[in-house]
Amino acid sequence: QSALTQPASVSGSPGQSITISCTGTSSDVGGYNYVSWYQQHPGKAPKLMIYEVSNRPSGVSNRFSGSKSGNTASLTISGLQAEDEADYYCSSYTSSSTFNWVFGGGTKLTVL
Amino acid sequence: QVQLQESGPGLVKPSQTLSLTCTVSGGSISSGDYYWSWIRQPPGKGLEWIGYIYYSGSTYYNPSLKSRVTISVDTSKNQFSLKLSSVTAADTAVYYCARFYDSSGYTTHWGQGTLVTVSS
Repeated sequence: QSALTQPASVSGSPGQSITISCTGTSSDVGGYNYVSWYQQHPGKAPKLMIYEVSNRPSGVSNRFSGSKSGNTASLTISGLQAEDEADYYCSSYTSSSTFNWVFGGGTKLTVL
Repeated sequence: QVQLQESGPGLVKPSQTLSLTCTVSGGSISSGDYYWSWIRQPPGKGLEWIGYIYYSGSTYYNPSLKSRVTISVDTSKNQFSLKLSSVTAADTAVYYCARFYDSSGYTTHWGQGTLVTVSS
């Protein structure tokens, strides 16, 4: 079961916007609207930030938004803040395995 | 507010069986809306699905671990458990239990995680 492809790292300055990509195939990201995004600070459990491509759970800042184009999903963080520095993981439904869920490899976001 | 808490040994010897329990509070494991999952994260690495279970006992396992994994549920105790047999150093990881919404594939609540080290 192959992981979804994310950049290993991205960076941005406070106040800027950044985008993290999550690339899969038509059997996962491209074929279904079941992409979610998680934020993980060091030593902490992941936190759900986006579900079903673009929906934000209650309590998540509207600076976080999700989208999808073709086989690539994206997480955009606007108005970057120091507290946004964390690891981010995408997840998707996949029809290419008997187990229908797969994570991306993770992206380290550094706020400069 | 639903809370999950992992418990179990932090050190397991190679070839032995890793056993963890997740206790759910603030909500019933039998509510029927969610599945109950195990996810692990080796030190410095990404997240990996182990599998998940419905309160009725239906289980879904990652094929890469399926031959060694058993997930079970005890609705009377509001707990679910993980057993991973024949462990090696590669199974050293932080193990998380989480509440999983299978219909759309997102995990709403996570335990704090517990580090399990495989070493003699």
